[in-house]
Amino acid sequence: KNQVEQSPQSLIILEGKNCTLQCNYTVSPFSNLRWYKQDTGRGPVSLTIMTFSENTKSNGRYTATLDADTKQSSLHITASQLSDSASYICVVSDRGSTLGRLYFGRGTQLTVWP
Amino acid sequence: EADIYQTPRYLVIGTGKKITLECSQTMGHDKMYWYQQDPGMELHLIHYSYGVNSTEKGDLSSESTVSRIRTEHFPLTLESARPSHTSQYLCASSEGTGNSGANVLTFGAGSRLTVL
Repeated sequence: KNQVEQSPQSLIILEGKNCTLQCNYTVSPFSNLRWYKQDTGRGPVSLTIMTFSENTKSNGRYTATLDADTKQSSLHITASQLSDSASYICVVSDRGSTLGRLYFGRGTQLTVWP
Repeated sequence: EADIYQTPRYLVIGTGKKITLECSQTMGHDKMYWYQQDPGMELHLIHYSYGVNSTEKGDLSSESTVSRIRTEHFPLTLESARPSHTSQYLCASSEGTGNSGANVLTFGAGSRLTVL
């Protein structure tokens, strides 16, 4: 069964600190992996998208890594800000059919305290 | 600035009422989607459309219906709302082949529905 598991479920850090969020998946055959940020009461917004051949991709203070062999991805946030408080969702797409299904994780709820 | 708009943002209604959640996008995207999201849970696809006059049911069984008469408009309708329909409904769109490949979903802000 194709699944996307995220950890931790929730995380509290102090402003200015770094943190790393994890995503493990069993989706096969793999097409790409995306990280979304969802602020409370809003829709998800894309942060990064990574294909099979990409190991690292950065978007400002956000850096995503992908290990396609172990089927793991991480999202590292550097020098956290209060505005980073949100749910971070990992989404994996397969390429097993023309539809190309998306598999969503349940998200990691990050809270940044001043 | 979001180019996909959902209305209403919040709706509280009684059981048995008919409701329509509106979704419009100004990006000219072919593909549009409706997702249902409950707190702490993953998004579930309930409907999608590849273009005008094309609609399909998603993975999650839903009593709602959708229509796609215009490219930019993808409303979702519940004929008779029940408390079990209480949830957050997210509309999204993407260009090209949408749900596959590298195309990125653009989400609306969501419609939070509460059925009493």
